[in-house]
Formats: sequence, C-alpha cells, structure tokens
Amino acid sequence: AQTVTQSQPEMSVQEAETVTLSCTYDTSESDYYLFWYKQPPSRQMILVIRQEAYKQQNATENRFSVNFQKAAKSFSLKISDSQLGDAAMYFCAYRSALIGADGLTFGKGTHLIIQP
Amino acid sequence: DSGVTQTPKHLITATGQRVTLRCSPRSGDLSVYWYQQSLDQGLQFLIQYYNGEERAKGNILERFSAQQFPDLHSELNLSSLELGDSALYFCASSERDSYNEQFFGPGTRLTVL
Repeated sequence: AQTVTQSQPEMSVQEAETVTLSCTYDTSESDYYLFWYKQPPSRQMILVIRQEAYKQQNATENRFSVNFQKAAKSFSLKISDSQLGDAAMYFCAYRSALIGADGLTFGKGTHLIIQP
Repeated sequence: DSGVTQTPKHLITATGQRVTLRCSPRSGDLSVYWYQQSLDQGLQFLIQYYNGEERAKGNILERFSAQQFPDLHSELNLSSLELGDSALYFCASSERDSYNEQFFGPGTRLTVL
C-alpha cells in the first residue's frame, strides 16, 4: 500500500516570503499522480497543483510550484510571495494511475501560518 | 464553488442510528468518491463509484455502504453509528477515472452523540 508522509505538522512564514512544504511518499508503482490540496478554515478541499509522475518538468501554477524528485520519492510545494489567504492546512496526496486503483492517499497535513 | 453539492451540511444524531449522506457530482462527471476526515484518522478514502458501479474500495467499514444512481448522484449510508464515526465526510467527483482531477464538495459534518 502507498503511504504519504508530511513531516512538518506546522510551518510559519512572513507575508511576502517564500515557504516550502515537504512531502515524501512510498510506492512500488512507476506511473502515478501527485497532488497538493489546500484546506482553509472553511474546510473546502481545493486543488493547488498536480504532477504526473511521467513528466520530468516540475508543475507550476502562478505562485505555487513543486520540486518533484521521482527517485527520492519526494514532492515538495513551494509558495512564493506568501499571502494571508494562503493560510490553511496543506495536504499532499498520491493516486495510482491504474484503472480501478483506490482513491487519493493523503498525508497528515501541514498547517501553514502566515505572519503579517 | 467546485460544482459538487452535498447535503446535509451538518447532521447530529445518536449512537446506534442510521443516516444517509447525499452527493451530486459536477455535471458530466462519472466518478464519485467518498472520503472521511477525522482528527485521529486524517483523510481516508472510503469508496469510489464509476457510472453506477463500484470501482474501488478503501477503508470503508461494513456498517457503511454506498451507491450511485442512474442520474449519477450518490448516497453514503452509515448505520449502527458509533461516537468514533463523528467526522467530516467529503464527496468528490471526476470526469472519468484516475488521471482526472477530483473536485471536492463542501462536506457533511456528522456528529454522533
């Protein structure tokens, strides 16, 4: 079974600074997808960014980018120019590319605090 | 707004009771997923339906069951409720299967007293 580990229960960053959230995963599969979801206090789960394992290029979405290291099974999220609205729980998630595979496997989450 | 709707938003019930949570996927999405978020277990995948048929099963208890109807809405049935079933239950939908992004509904907060 796949596992996802987020080793930072909480991170704090000054507004406008850059922060990196860590995620490692364990899998024996070669084809899969990785995601970062944001959960603000409203509890809504919002997709931030996704990465296909077969793509070598790291995904980028505006101020959000990932550092995907397939051999190391590492998938970190970098948030540049942090804004107060970025304060939330961030979950790293894994999904096999196999048809019929289970749903998303989530890490325990990292609580991101933005200091004004 | 993800386009996925869930009802009710909140549900308070007693131990031993049975409840039904409802989910309507985004228009055109064929897959529906159910997840449970609790303090001790975190976010866990329960079950997936694709176009009316069960596609994958996760950590779903035998007391829980789900189905997807011809109009593609889904219901999660929780029976013989225990205190530990108190959690936020999310429904998510995707166009087809694994490679598609899952869009999450706002969740149903279940409190078992």
